[in-house]
Amino acid sequence: AQKVTQAQTEISVVEKEDVTLDCVYETRDTTYYLFWYKQPPSGELVFLIRRNSFDEQNEISGRYSWNFQKSTSSFNFTITASQVVDSAVYFCALSYSGAGSYQLTFGKGTKLSVIP
Amino acid sequence: GAVVSQHPSRVICKSGTSVKIECRSLDFQATTMFWYRQFPKKSLMLMATSNEGSKATYEQGVEKDKFLINHASLTLSTLTVTSAHPEDSSFYICSARSPRDREVGRDRETQYFGPGTRLLVL
Repeated sequence: AQKVTQAQTEISVVEKEDVTLDCVYETRDTTYYLFWYKQPPSGELVFLIRRNSFDEQNEISGRYSWNFQKSTSSFNFTITASQVVDSAVYFCALSYSGAGSYQLTFGKGTKLSVIP
Repeated sequence: GAVVSQHPSRVICKSGTSVKIECRSLDFQATTMFWYRQFPKKSLMLMATSNEGSKATYEQGVEKDKFLINHASLTLSTLTVTSAHPEDSSFYICSARSPRDREVGRDRETQYFGPGTRLLVL
């Protein structure tokens, strides 16, 4: 069985602060994929990043960075110099190709509020 | 820009009526589409996996006769909520997956989501 845990339900930060969203996953598959999606108040899920299980390189995209550590089964997401537009619910998700359909298992989400 | 669209974005209907929601992949062919339901302040719950040209696979606890899914083409899947009741009110969101590797920047492992449909049954 697969499981994704986002222990932080809600986080509030002041604008320009850095914030890290935690994600811990469980899977028995050797090949799997990890994702982060952003859901602003409008409701649409915006794809942010995908990471393959065999690629542990960390990634940086502008103010966003991701730290993937297989040893601790974690895939944490850091926003540097947060902005009000970053306010949203962020979902971490896990999928595998075993069934051929790449079904996603979502965490419960972390609501980030960036206060001006 | 958006790669998956949903229509309508919002619908209000009377109890007992049926509502059809469309999900379209705009610039790629999606052999697999997924339908999710999301309650307020909750995570997404997978309802069913829809494969083009075959019957949808429903998750445990999801009524097949209540939520009819049709995936008639590689760019369109529809969800019909039959005989809707107030408890069916929710946010329904679809996603699509491209079967091809790296096609125009789309990878086969990633699901791209539509903007969602808010259903309110009175």
